[in-house]
Amino acid sequence: SAVISQKPSRDICQRGTSLTIQCQVDSQVTMMFWYRQQPGQSLTLIATANQGSEATYESGFVIDKFPISRPNLTFSTLTVSNMSPEDSSIYLCSAVRDFGYEQYFGPGTRLTVT
Amino acid sequence: KQEVTQIPAALSVPEGENLVLNCSFTDSAIYNLQWFRQDPGKGLTSLLLIQSSQREQTSGRLNASLDKSSGRSTLYIAASQPGDSATYLCAVRGGANSKLTFGKGITLSVRP
Repeated sequence: SAVISQKPSRDICQRGTSLTIQCQVDSQVTMMFWYRQQPGQSLTLIATANQGSEATYESGFVIDKFPISRPNLTFSTLTVSNMSPEDSSIYLCSAVRDFGYEQYFGPGTRLTVT
Repeated sequence: KQEVTQIPAALSVPEGENLVLNCSFTDSAIYNLQWFRQDPGKGLTSLLLIQSSQREQTSGRLNASLDKSSGRSTLYIAASQPGDSATYLCAVRGGANSKLTFGKGITLSVRP
């Protein structure tokens, strides 16, 4: 199994600012992902964080708004840029050692934009 | 495009009842299927992973079955407890390198 930690666990931010969320996995993993979960909704995949290269974004998400880094096999960051109240969500980091194995999730970062 | 459906959206049962949570998917060509639990305001906890070649997996009071040909999976919870109250999500992986497709979840409430 993999244990995933995220920082911060929650934050309240002003409109127009940016927040960087950190994700740390306790073991090397092949794939890391970032999801968004809006209130009362299921999970939406933002992007796949690729080690050493640019992230792969899902439709509707762009690098300028959600820049992602993955400098090594256990760490990734997601930045939510130029925030608006519509960005208020839980942001979840996820990882999988290989696609034949279980995918694990971090505890989430609850973001409120005022 | 794979679609995953979980019905009903919410379920309330008395403590001690055995219950079944259903998950259906439109494309039977899946790699594996995973059941998760999510407590309010928290991340997802993996419960069970079923590979496409398997029919079921068991962990404690939980048993998950998979019928690929009919596009269905069920999560069986035996002797439900108030601590089982949470949202249960089903997710399907379509291929060896593909992302998980999630259902919207079933919110379970177990009444003492």
